[in-house]
Amino acid sequence: GESVGLHLPTLSVQEGDNSIINCAYSNSASDYFIWYKQESGKGPQFIIDIRSNMDKRQGQRVTVLLNKTVKHLSLQIAATQPGDSAVYFCAEKPPNTGNQFYFGTGTSLTVIP
Amino acid sequence: EAGVAQSPRYKIIEKRQSVAFWCNPISGHATLYWYQQILGQGPKLLIQFQNNGVVDDSQLPKDRFSAERLKGVDSTLKIQPAKLEDSAVYLCASSLVGQKAFFGQGTRLTVV
Repeated sequence: GESVGLHLPTLSVQEGDNSIINCAYSNSASDYFIWYKQESGKGPQFIIDIRSNMDKRQGQRVTVLLNKTVKHLSLQIAATQPGDSAVYFCAEKPPNTGNQFYFGTGTSLTVIP
Repeated sequence: EAGVAQSPRYKIIEKRQSVAFWCNPISGHATLYWYQQILGQGPKLLIQFQNNGVVDDSQLPKDRFSAERLKGVDSTLKIQPAKLEDSAVYLCASSLVGQKAFFGQGTRLTVV
């Protein structure tokens, strides 16, 4: 399978600050990327996605940036809240794989009140 | 809209026993996935169905794992016999074709 890695396994931020979670993906041909949030004891929850024909996409308090040149994906969370504490995964979809997603190890985000 | 339903939520079995997990995907989702998530790791794809056909099962340990989706809706994943290293959370997900996947809460399996 593909290898999707995250630069930092843990991240602690102060409540109200912005968070940036980074991800390096392995397949330069991957055409679809998703960020998932996983809280303890729950399944991954979709946050935001981006296709390879875009380099930025914004949602509510979240922004995903895609840099295809260096195969890098980032998730920015604005005004981080205690409820944002979770493990965040990026997933990539290589082409011609029948919509299969490959996940990295994850980054654990802790928000300090 | 109802999400992906999985049962049971937790299961503890002894090694060499068998176990089965059940998944009911979101209505209308043709694609169904089973993932294995070992503690501290990201989900790893075991098998993917499109309706009742298998798209990819290359990472499924077929000597002990089996899965089916007979009517193209619900799915079951079975392990027989279980090993200690099978202890993990088993996640079911579903999606429309080519779209993002939605996950269930998972079944936490402990093999002792």
